Amino acid sequence: KQEVTQIPAALSVPEGENLVLNCSFTDSAIYNLQWFRQDPGKGLTSLLLIQSSQREQTSGRLNASLDKSSGRSTLYIAASQPGDSATYLCAVGETEGNEKLTFGTGTRLTIIP
Amino acid sequence: EPEVTQTPSHQVTQMGQEVILRCVPISNHLYFYWYRQILGQKVEFLVSFYNNEISEKSEIFDDQFSVERPDGSNFTLKIRSTKLEDSAMYFCASSEKHPNDANTGELFFGEGSRLTVL
Repeated sequence: KQEVTQIPAALSVPEGENLVLNCSFTDSAIYNLQWFRQDPGKGLTSLLLIQSSQREQTSGRLNASLDKSSGRSTLYIAASQPGDSATYLCAVGETEGNEKLTFGTGTRLTIIP
Repeated sequence: EPEVTQTPSHQVTQMGQEVILRCVPISNHLYFYWYRQILGQKVEFLVSFYNNEISEKSEIFDDQFSVERPDGSNFTLKIRSTKLEDSAMYFCASSEKHPNDANTGELFFGEGSRLTVL
């Protein structure tokens, strides 16, 4: 059974710093990995989708990498801003027609002005 | 920008009552999903729906749950007889293509419907 873990559970950094969020998964046979942002009491906003054949994806100040063989993904946020404060979730899409995403517990990020 | 919309945003119900949560997926999307998030816990998959039938469901999605696409735009989740443990945020999602499609498969989520069972 796929397990997705995100470390740390919470992170506080001063505004302007670059930071890395980590995601690990136990079964490397995945089709894709998606990073989401969740604001308190709100829905999930898709940030980046990485297919299993890809190594990284970039969108603005965000860069996500995927190392499928080691079961790891990182989300790099450059020049952090207070508006980046949110919970960041990673989710893996599994193989063989299994359409569900398996989510991690998330990292709660606070950017200190 | 197209978005997934869900109603109601919050519903309070008595244990044993039936609840219907509604979703309008993005218009050109073909795959539809329900997920839930119990307070403080992970987002969990409930069910996926394609071509007017369930394509996959989790062990959570028992006989008390059902999904329907009654017309060309709505996608509903029905809980027949709610239990206290059904209290959660329920998220609807849709994707243009199968999640395992090599080209895409990105899921777009709605804002959620918070269900409180008393």
